[in-house]
Amino acid sequence: SYELTQPLSVSVALGQTARITCGGNNIGSKNVHWYQQKPGQAPVLVIYRDSNRPSGIPERFSGSNSGNTATLTISRAQAGDEADYYCQVWDSSTLFGGGTKLTVL
Amino acid sequence: EVQLVQSGAEVKKPGESLKISCKGSGYSFTSYWIGWVRQMPGKGLEWMGIIYPGDSDTRYSPSFQGQVTISADKSISTAYLQWSSLKASDTAMYYCARLIPLLYYYDPWGQGTLVTVSS
Repeated sequence: SYELTQPLSVSVALGQTARITCGGNNIGSKNVHWYQQKPGQAPVLVIYRDSNRPSGIPERFSGSNSGNTATLTISRAQAGDEADYYCQVWDSSTLFGGGTKLTVL
Repeated sequence: EVQLVQSGAEVKKPGESLKISCKGSGYSFTSYWIGWVRQMPGKGLEWMGIIYPGDSDTRYSPSFQGQVTISADKSISTAYLQWSSLKASDTAMYYCARLIPLLYYYDPWGQGTLVTVSS
């Protein structure tokens, strides 16, 4: 069965760029979506179809997908970006990555 | 505004039954699949299954098949997740979310329903 692999944690200095990866076999051939979940809150869609931002999501959030890795990039990281981030694909059913905790130092 | 509003937190004993709900508004409820997602304490998101309220077509994750029942009442734009006999291991936050067709992502999500099962 298909699996998605995310790092457990990523740290970034305030104002710098954070990159969160999502690995999967030939994931570049799939549509990858990203969700942000802040403590005590429901997940929120931040990127859909690899690199598209829903309305209301800052331009600082961007995504890419190629080969075996999809990447969520957060530019000019802010304290408010601290959260868990999950990638998701559809492979006959919904698959989520294990999640990455982003810490802004 | 598209919105999913879930029922409130529940505290139950092992062996009891439970049905939680997810009410959609601001869109055609019968035209979008609704998914259910479990999040155990301190853990990640787990997909449980989806239902198409238009005809109640339902798909389950193999991990949850036979453990829960997903249903919907399109007349009141509400989807349900139910258990016939709860276990302590069912303690978790449960989210519903609308599945966007063709691209298959979830937006928006309900606020979540916390289910606590304890003797």
